[in-house]
Amino acid sequence: AQKITQTQPGMFVQEKEAVTLDCTYDTSDQSYGLFWYKQPSSGEMIFLIYQGSYDEQNATEGRYSLNFQKARKSANLVISASQLGDSAMYFCAMREGQRAGNQFYFGTGTSLTVIP
Amino acid sequence: NAGVTQTPKFRILKIGQSMTLQCTQDMNHNYMYWYRQDPGMGLKLIYYSVGAGITDKGEVPNGYNVSRSTTEDFPLRLELAAPSQTSVYFCASSYGGGVNQPQHFGDGTRLSIL
Repeated sequence: AQKITQTQPGMFVQEKEAVTLDCTYDTSDQSYGLFWYKQPSSGEMIFLIYQGSYDEQNATEGRYSLNFQKARKSANLVISASQLGDSAMYFCAMREGQRAGNQFYFGTGTSLTVIP
Repeated sequence: NAGVTQTPKFRILKIGQSMTLQCTQDMNHNYMYWYRQDPGMGLKLIYYSVGAGITDKGEVPNGYNVSRSTTEDFPLRLELAAPSQTSVYFCASSYGGGVNQPQHFGDGTRLSIL
């Protein structure tokens, strides 16, 4: 089974609108972390936001927020007031607490295009 | 702040050649990782290290080797390059193994095997 599933290969959003990028995860660990990364066309991986499995509040970082629904095992990224510079690939990732090396598992990504 | 530095940024190899991808970090991170990213795909873990002298295989280790003699450096060696190794390679590091520790990435090495 896939550890991280991103079902939206591509998304479009109008500038200044909000957009939600979906992410579901699979783990039997009680302790885990969920992360979102942005990969612009230049190729680097930029850390955006983190949510811990024990966090009761949804994480927020500026225009980014994480809609964490633990029972549904989903960790959707919400980008508010989209900007042209938000056009990029977005990857959801998970780090489990009980694995050797605590390696990350990445989804296949969602390509976001912001339309002027 | 340099962070994670990868060299080279681009490289073209002929089939059967060998090379080493360099990765160094200046954040005193214990954990380091090598990933490959194929076109339109996510990242797959090749090797990782939890400290100097300690390395272990990830999901796709065949055709690669690593060493970790210092905290700062984690080179990835390709022996007998094959076209299937054409990919973008990312090195990453994290302070520790806690679930709240994000990975910090280098800018990647684009490698083509012809």
